[in-house]
Amino acid sequence: AQSVTQLGSHVSVSEGALVLLRCNYSSSVPPYLFWYVQYPNQGLQLLLKYTSAATLVKGINGFEAEFKKSETSFHLTKPSAHMSDAAEYFCAVSRRAGGGNKLTFGTGTQLKVEL
Amino acid sequence: DAGVIQSPRHEVTEMGQEVTLRCKPISGHDYLFWYRQTMMRGLELLIYFNNNVPIDDSGMPEDRFSAKMPNASFSTLKIQPSEPRDSAVYFCASGPVGTPNTGELFFGEGSRLTVL
Repeated sequence: AQSVTQLGSHVSVSEGALVLLRCNYSSSVPPYLFWYVQYPNQGLQLLLKYTSAATLVKGINGFEAEFKKSETSFHLTKPSAHMSDAAEYFCAVSRRAGGGNKLTFGTGTQLKVEL
Repeated sequence: DAGVIQSPRHEVTEMGQEVTLRCKPISGHDYLFWYRQTMMRGLELLIYFNNNVPIDDSGMPEDRFSAKMPNASFSTLKIQPSEPRDSAVYFCASGPVGTPNTGELFFGEGSRLTVL
C-alpha cells in the first residue's frame, strides 16, 4: 500500500516569505510523486511531478520540490510567496510500473498568504 | 482544448431523489476518473475507466452509486436514492495513456451536490 501524509492542514505566510509545505510518503516500491493545486471553486491542476529523473523538480509558478528517499519526503517550496499562491495544495503518490494503479492524495494543506 | 467539462456545477436536491452527474473528458484521453471531495474524507477515488471499461470501482460507497461510460466522450455518475451524507463536490478527471502510473490527471471544475 502507498500513502502520503501532509503535515499541517493550514499554513500561513507573509507575502514575500518562503513557502514550505510538507509531504511524507509511504511506498513499498519506488514511487511517482506529485503536487497538485486547487484554487477556490476549481478542480485540481498539476503543479509538478517526480518520476525518477532529477530529485529536484521544478514546477509552474516558481514552485519546486525535492525528492529525498532517506527522509521519505517530497516537500514543496517557493522562495517568495505571492498573494495569488493562496490555494489548497495536495501531495499525491502513484506506484511506478504496472497497470491499473491508483493515484492516492493527501488530505491537503490550505495556504494563506498575508500582506 | 476545452478541458474536462462537468455538469451541473451545482445541484440541490431532496433526500430520496435521483441525482445524475455528467462528464465530458478531454478528447483523446483514455482514462476517466470520478472523485469525491468532502471536508471529512478529503479526495476519494470512486471509480475509473480505461477505454470506456470500468477498471476499479472499489471506491464506490454502496449500491446507490453507479457510473457508466457509454462512449469515449461521456460519462455519468448516478446516485439513487440520494442521502444527505452524499453531499460533496464530485470531480471528474481524465488522462492520456499511462495515467494510472504517471498520475497526470486533468480535472473538471466539479459538481457541488447538496442533498437536503
